[in-house]
Amino acid sequence: GQQLNQSPQSMFIQEGEDVSMNCTSSSIFNTWLWYKQDPGEGPVLLIALYKAGELTSNGRLTAQFGITRKDSFLNISASIPSDVGIYFCAGLGRDKIIFGKGTRLHILP
Amino acid sequence: GAVVSQHPSRVICKSGTSVKIECRSLDFQATTMFWYRQFPKKSLMLMATSNEGSKATYEQGVEKDKFLINHASLTLSTLTVTSAHPEDSSFYICSARVGDRKLFFGSGTQLSVL
Repeated sequence: GQQLNQSPQSMFIQEGEDVSMNCTSSSIFNTWLWYKQDPGEGPVLLIALYKAGELTSNGRLTAQFGITRKDSFLNISASIPSDVGIYFCAGLGRDKIIFGKGTRLHILP
Repeated sequence: GAVVSQHPSRVICKSGTSVKIECRSLDFQATTMFWYRQFPKKSLMLMATSNEGSKATYEQGVEKDKFLINHASLTLSTLTVTSAHPEDSSFYICSARVGDRKLFFGSGTQLSVL
């Protein structure tokens, strides 16, 4: 089915570095959601965005709803080992929910 | 945030048996729930949309007779994998939508069919 373009697909970073990932789509969404999934677990909601241009933080995480309503980014500052996992974006429209393919974050020892 | 409870978290069964997975919204009513399948290191694959009081809507390629979905109440949806075979082994996840605002996931069920 239809998917969002999420990039990068994977990232290898050093502990303490900042991380940035984004999602783009040809469709307009009313809501953007960002999730983190640990192995063997369901995705956990990190941040929800409801208005174009909205910038929201959750601890070291910051996400923005793009002005065009077709994109969103997620930043993680000062990464720590427990940030390892897969991050998914999701766009919610009235009748559809579409997921990105995920960004797998690895932290190098 | 809202809580979605999924049970069991892990199940091992023999080939040919049926397995039921439950998804409950604990502190809100969910008129719509979703069922996904996820293969290792892959994204979520939507299987079907479960609507309270009506038939589920299945995605293309998903066998409705194989994956039975029942959404009998506003807080419970079940997925039954009928006559399971090894190729049905996978991680199954449910989610519940809260209006147009949020989507919450269950913790997933790892199904292993021997």
